[in-house]
Amino acid sequence: EAEVAQSPRYKITEKSQAVAFWCDPISGHATLYWYRQILGQGPELLVQFQDESVVDDSQLPKDRFSAERLKGVDSTLKIQPAELGDSAMYLCASNVLALLSGANVLTFGAGSRLTVL
Amino acid sequence: GQNIDQPTEMTATEGAIVQINCTYQTSGFNGLFWYQQHAGEAPTFLSYNVLDGLEEKGRFSSFLSRSKGYSYLLLKELQMKDSASYLCAVRENTGGFKTIFGAGTRLFVKA
Repeated sequence: EAEVAQSPRYKITEKSQAVAFWCDPISGHATLYWYRQILGQGPELLVQFQDESVVDDSQLPKDRFSAERLKGVDSTLKIQPAELGDSAMYLCASNVLALLSGANVLTFGAGSRLTVL
Repeated sequence: GQNIDQPTEMTATEGAIVQINCTYQTSGFNGLFWYQQHAGEAPTFLSYNVLDGLEEKGRFSSFLSRSKGYSYLLLKELQMKDSASYLCAVRENTGGFKTIFGAGTRLFVKA
């Protein structure tokens, strides 16, 4: 079954350190999303790629966050420097056609849980 | 702007029926989704509505009224494994497609 791969699953870092997350979306899917989910809240879109181009990064804190998808396949999300408030689950997603409903739905990877101390 | 409201928590009994409501305000409405999320896991797709009315899928049904900006998720014959967060999400098309999530409703199913 096609899935979205993410690593690392868990990351603990100290504030002011740099951290990076990797995502490999479902093969052949041009659109890739990075979401951040703080505990007790819903996922918040950080950045959307179409192939290697950024389509929407309006909610990405660009002073410390960066995202790239150089070859239009896998993607990296970086935080530098990390702050206490960055503790969250970072979710990567592909857009997949759900056959029964006929809708394009988000299929998420397992996520990368970040704890900033 | 976008605004999605749903109750924070609900508790129901095994075997019962529970309805989780969601209200939304958005521009460029392009569909409403419900996702299930177990603790520590990623959200998984449950249902999709783009036209008014009820969509039924086994024990789960979802309703949409676009004029009222309202949806609900109905879970029947509750099982313990249904204890999870249920996320209401709206896709909007404002020059590009974007999916916005509510904060989620934590459902506790008790024996």
